[in-house]
Amino acid sequence: DVKVTQSSRYLVKRTGEKVFLECVQDMDHENMFWYRQDPGLGLRLIYFSYDVKMKEKGDIPEGYSVSREKKERFSLILESASTNQTSMYLCASSLGLTNTEAFFGQGTRLTVV
Amino acid sequence: QQPVQSPQAVILREGEDAVINCSSSKALYSVHWYRQKHGEAPVFLMILLKGGEQKGHDKISASFNEKKQQSSLYLTASQLSYSGTYFCGTAMDSNYQLIWGAGTKLIIKP
Repeated sequence: DVKVTQSSRYLVKRTGEKVFLECVQDMDHENMFWYRQDPGLGLRLIYFSYDVKMKEKGDIPEGYSVSREKKERFSLILESASTNQTSMYLCASSLGLTNTEAFFGQGTRLTVV
Repeated sequence: QQPVQSPQAVILREGEDAVINCSSSKALYSVHWYRQKHGEAPVFLMILLKGGEQKGHDKISASFNEKKQQSSLYLTASQLSYSGTYFCGTAMDSNYQLIWGAGTKLIIKP
């Protein structure tokens, strides 16, 4: 059974903290994505990676960075968490960029207080 | 530019048909459809490519309009399990990442 696993389902962090969200996939996919999901806004792309150590900014990269040191793992980093980064974060992976199915993780509900 | 999904929400009785639309200002290369239930990950339904090819589940179909600026998702004889929020993801080109709509909430009542 194919799987994308996110390290935490729920996180509560304080303003100013550095936050790491981890995502691991077991499908040998080239492409991995980080989205944030807010009510009424759908999925907004933060960053994506098309290969190890390769990354591209999405629509809302400000306040975030990413790391992909190994093919199976894609990390999202909030350098200094702020309350407006309270959201649901979804990781996904896919073989192709736009013509193949994407597999999503269960999501991490992050609350910044 | 974010595609526009319509309707925003729809309530149906079990067995009724549903149509969900996803509109873009430009012609599309592909449209992806996913369903998300509350508290769960989005689940793949299908991909519609500009040539009309479809990859996905047997009981769900989709189409483009003539200008390929709108896709419609067809759910026939809806079941209770079809309830959830449906998202479309659109791509203008094979080299661009998907841009997602805000979602359509579908509620199926017995």
